[in-house]
Amino acid sequence: EAGVTQFPSHSVIEKGQTVTLRCDPISGHDNLYWYRRVMGKEIKFLLHFVKESKQDESGMPNNRFLAERTGGTYSTLKVQPAELEDSGVYFCASSQDRGDYGYTFGSGTRLTVV
Amino acid sequence: QKEVEQNSGPLSVPEGAIASLNCTYSDRVSQSFFWYRQYSGKSPELIMSIYSNGDKEDGRFTAQLNKASQYVSLLIRDSQPSDSATYLCAVNMNSGYSTLTFGKGTMLLVSP
Repeated sequence: EAGVTQFPSHSVIEKGQTVTLRCDPISGHDNLYWYRRVMGKEIKFLLHFVKESKQDESGMPNNRFLAERTGGTYSTLKVQPAELEDSGVYFCASSQDRGDYGYTFGSGTRLTVV
Repeated sequence: QKEVEQNSGPLSVPEGAIASLNCTYSDRVSQSFFWYRQYSGKSPELIMSIYSNGDKEDGRFTAQLNKASQYVSLLIRDSQPSDSATYLCAVNMNSGYSTLTFGKGTMLLVSP
């Protein structure tokens, strides 16, 4: 079984540019989550999809962040325009159930905004 | 604010010793608790979950939960150098769907 796949693994962009991160969950997993870890801080929840619907987006920092999951398969997270404080590692995770038994993380995308 | 607290470490133990990792959480109604292991530059990997008070054992790992004290711990017996990693405590503080609140993690170093 393929795991959760994220790409790119690294991205370096200039302040003000746009970046799109992609996540492919484990096949058949309806639940998809985005988390972020900024330097020196803990991993923090961004949002949660159930299939193509946003179940919870309470962790999204501001309207420069847009997440989509068209067709309930892969998801994208777009940051537009990027700011310096957006730098960090963005993790995607998926689960078949509600996540009560934990979920599987991808290896993350390291975003650096310069 | 709902929080999960961990000692950042590093916690250094010799090979073969027991490593004890601790975590406290702020939300008394939390129901599910997880330990993830993260090697440098890699994804967090789920190693233990626990839902009720007491101990849960899986191989060399034992998770302990005390809801009254809002405390969860992870014991690693017969520690190996390959156990050297950052251990993340995560708590589901929501009812319904699971969204996790993480601690900053404890770095464990096991010396040969």
